[in-house]
Amino acid sequence: DIQMTQSPSSLSASVGDRVTITCRASQGIRNDIGWYQQKPGKAPKRLIYAASSLQSGVPSRFSGSGSGTEFTLTINSLQPEDFATYYCLQHNSYPLTFGGGTKVEIK
Amino acid sequence: EVQLVESGGGLVQPGRSLRLSCSASGFPFGDYAITWFRQAPGKGLEWVGFIRSKLYGGTMEYAASVKGRFTVSRDESKSIAYLEMNSLKTEDTAVYYCTRDARSVYGDSRLFDYWGQGTLVTVSS
Repeated sequence: DIQMTQSPSSLSASVGDRVTITCRASQGIRNDIGWYQQKPGKAPKRLIYAASSLQSGVPSRFSGSGSGTEFTLTINSLQPEDFATYYCLQHNSYPLTFGGGTKVEIK
Repeated sequence: EVQLVESGGGLVQPGRSLRLSCSASGFPFGDYAITWFRQAPGKGLEWVGFIRSKLYGGTMEYAASVKGRFTVSRDESKSIAYLEMNSLKTEDTAVYYCTRDARSVYGDSRLFDYWGQGTLVTVSS
C-alpha cells in the first residue's frame, strides 16, 4: 500500500497569510493526487486534481504542485472561509490512501 | 445538476447487516464508477471500495478492512449504487460518502469531483 505522509497535522494562521501543506508518497505516484477541503459536518470538496489542476469554481488563491513523491498545496492570502481541514488523496493504485489531514485554524 | 444522495444509514447492532444507497442524477450514470469512502467520528477519511462502470466490466475493489464483509453493486436502470454491509463491527461506525469517477472516459477532471452529503452508520449494542 502507498502511504501518504501529510504535514503539518495542524497549523495556526492569520487572514492574509500564505499557507503550505505537504504530502509525501511512500513511492512514486506520478501526478495521481488530489487535494480536498472539508468543513465540519460537510462532505469533502475537491480543490485540486492531477496534482496541479484547479477545480472549476475554486478560487485561484489555491494551487497545487509536485510530481512523483512530493506534493504541495498552497493557499495564498488565506481567507476566513478557508479555515478547514485539508486532505491529499492518491489514486495511483489501490487501495486509495489519504494523508492524515491538516487542520488550518485561526491564529 | 449533478447530485449524489446517500441513504440507508442508522443504528445497527454488531454482527448485523445494513444496505446503503447512493442515488445519482444529472449525469450519465453508466459512464461512471462509484466509489465509497467513510469517516469515523473525529477521524480522517478512508477509502472503502468501488464498482467500475459496466463499460469496464462492473468489477469491484475493496479495502482490506471490509473485504469479504462489504459488497458494492449498481442498478443501471435506477442510477443507484449500493453498499451492502454484513457482519458489522463497532469500528465500522462512520459517515459513509459516495462519489463518482469517470477518469477512464473523461480524465482526472471527472474523478471525485462530486460527493454525496454522507449517511451516518452507527454500530452499537
